[in-house]
Amino acid sequence: NAGVTQTPKFQVLKTGQSMTLQCAQDMNHNSMYWYRQDPGMGLRLIYYSASEGTTDKGEVPNGYNVSRLNKREFSLRLESAAPSQTSVYFCASSAFIGGGARGAFFGQGTRLTVV
Amino acid sequence: DAKTTQPNSMESNEEEPVHLPCNHSTISGTDYIHWYRQLPSQGPEYVIHGLTSNVNNRMASLAIAEDRKSSTLILHRATLRDAAVYYCRVSRLYGGSNYKLTFGKGTLLTVNP
Repeated sequence: NAGVTQTPKFQVLKTGQSMTLQCAQDMNHNSMYWYRQDPGMGLRLIYYSASEGTTDKGEVPNGYNVSRLNKREFSLRLESAAPSQTSVYFCASSAFIGGGARGAFFGQGTRLTVV
Repeated sequence: DAKTTQPNSMESNEEEPVHLPCNHSTISGTDYIHWYRQLPSQGPEYVIHGLTSNVNNRMASLAIAEDRKSSTLILHRATLRDAAVYYCRVSRLYGGSNYKLTFGKGTLLTVNP
């Protein structure tokens, strides 16, 4: 099993460009999450999806949109990238919202640089 | 989710045991305690979880206080590869619509050779 797969692993964007970060999980999990992590900082929740068909804002949603395409896939879109969005982005999934008994599983991250 | 409190940083020597504490005084009866770690340049990974009894796995041991208001992650013999940020969090069995998967700042563990 691959677990949580994120693509791409690295990306450089120019200010104002748009892009979509892809995330897929093969564990049949209901809930999925997007985080950003700036250098030396903790994880900040951008958006989450408790179940297929629902999405909600996290702690830092401004400048981002998400789509829960199906149970497996949860994408994060930057419509007009800004240098402040330079960060490492992590996707995660869990069987139940908030983690539940089994906890959550994370992808390896996408390193995004906006110049 | 119940709030957790961890020390910002801890230091250990290689091959010595490490005890990483976490306070979760507002934990409720059906909440699970989870520990994750984040190695440099990687995504967080699950380490161990428990409900009431102490737990062991190949990575670590989890000691849970009798009143469940605190727990300790034990690395029996620290190696340089254990240097990471360790996160403790509390999670309900089946989650809940208001429960986001948020993390605190965790404990940065430094292992000295």
